[in-house]
Amino acid sequence: IAGITQAPTSQILAAGRRMTLRCTQDMRHNAMYWYRQDLGLGLRLIHYSNTAGTTGKGEVPDGYSVSRANTDDFPLTLASAVPSQTSVYFCASRRDSPNTGELFFGEGSRLTVL
Amino acid sequence: AQRVTQPEKLLSVFKGAPVELKCNYSYSGSPELFWYVQYSRQRLQLLLRHISRESIKGFTADLNKGETSFHLKKPFAQEEDSAMYYCALKSGGSTLGRLYFGRGTQLTVWP
Repeated sequence: IAGITQAPTSQILAAGRRMTLRCTQDMRHNAMYWYRQDLGLGLRLIHYSNTAGTTGKGEVPDGYSVSRANTDDFPLTLASAVPSQTSVYFCASRRDSPNTGELFFGEGSRLTVL
Repeated sequence: AQRVTQPEKLLSVFKGAPVELKCNYSYSGSPELFWYVQYSRQRLQLLLRHISRESIKGFTADLNKGETSFHLKKPFAQEEDSAMYYCALKSGGSTLGRLYFGRGTQLTVWP
């Protein structure tokens, strides 16, 4: 069982470029999340999706967009990357039943915007 | 609004010493709290949740509603406990709750 797979693992990107971080899960979880991890700031929620076809904004959504066309995939797009988006990005999903609140995380995507 | 505070960015102890990682929360409803851990070069994973009242890897955490705290404790730290620890609060209803994380505490256990 792969769980959650993120790609790419690491990427260096020029400012102004468009970038999509991919996230795929094989657990059939309805709820999925994107967090960014920054030193001293912890994990901050960017966007979430409670089920396929729906998305919502988290704490720091500006500059990011998401889509949820199906249950398995939840890509995160940076339309025009800026240096402040340099971070480690984590995708996560939550088991529906039993709903213990536990999140399952991917291994992260380290993004550097120059 | 919900908020999770971890006052210590860094915490160092020697092997065999007791360790306590502090977590305070602010939430108007009935809180559900969690501790997550990220070992070096591993993905973030659940360590324990207050509802279970369990001990995992020797760690325990008690929810104190009066002090709005959920401190993580271990009586005898081990080198393999060195990791980043995040306290998290689940908000919303049972099917729509999201997790809000604290800023994390980097624990180093010296030999």
